[in-house]
Amino acid sequence: GNSVTQMEGPVTLSEEAFLTINCTYTATGYPSLFWYVQYPGEGLQLLLKATKADDKGSNKGFEATYRKETTSFHLEKGSVQVSDSAVYFCALDLIQGAQKLVFGQGTRLTINP
Amino acid sequence: NAGVTQTPKFRVLKTGQSMTLLCAQDMNHEYMYWYRQDPGMGLRLIHYSVGEGTTAKGEVPDGYNVSRLKKQNFLLGLESAAPSQTSVYFCASKRGQTQETQYFGPGTRLLVL
Repeated sequence: GNSVTQMEGPVTLSEEAFLTINCTYTATGYPSLFWYVQYPGEGLQLLLKATKADDKGSNKGFEATYRKETTSFHLEKGSVQVSDSAVYFCALDLIQGAQKLVFGQGTRLTINP
Repeated sequence: NAGVTQTPKFRVLKTGQSMTLLCAQDMNHEYMYWYRQDPGMGLRLIHYSVGEGTTAKGEVPDGYNVSRLKKQNFLLGLESAAPSQTSVYFCASKRGQTQETQYFGPGTRLLVL
């Protein structure tokens, strides 16, 4: 079946630290890959996406590269800020079939000043 | 554009009571989804719709029903609420089939006593 596995949280970092949140996937087709972010008390917002192998998605200083050979889509940011504190979800969406998002379990990130 | 809105924001039910959650989108999107979010489990798909008048089961449909009588609205019903249905419910929509971003509402927090 199709599934997404994220690194276990919570993750706590100091401001300006380097961030990596690992995400790997299993899919029977050719998925699009997404990172969504959920700020406290809010719904999910799309952070970035990549639709084919070797694509790099980027937004707000975050980046993730679609690696088909390692079935990964790791989220990175060079220098985090307190405002990046949130829960981050990796997800996949197959372009065949019913177009349903499959989410990872989420990683809670806390940035301390 | 209001985007995706959900009503109500918060509700407390007693076991066995019924209720309907309303999702509305003003983006003329074809696809709509209902998810539930539970701690440590990410988001799981309950039901979805690929167009007005259509509905389909997702990953965890038991205990829920849905209707899509109008394109802009997607209703989630609980006929006889159970404590296991205590969760945060998110509605989402997207424009069409391929590689499209899902847009999420702010969520409805439901507590079943």
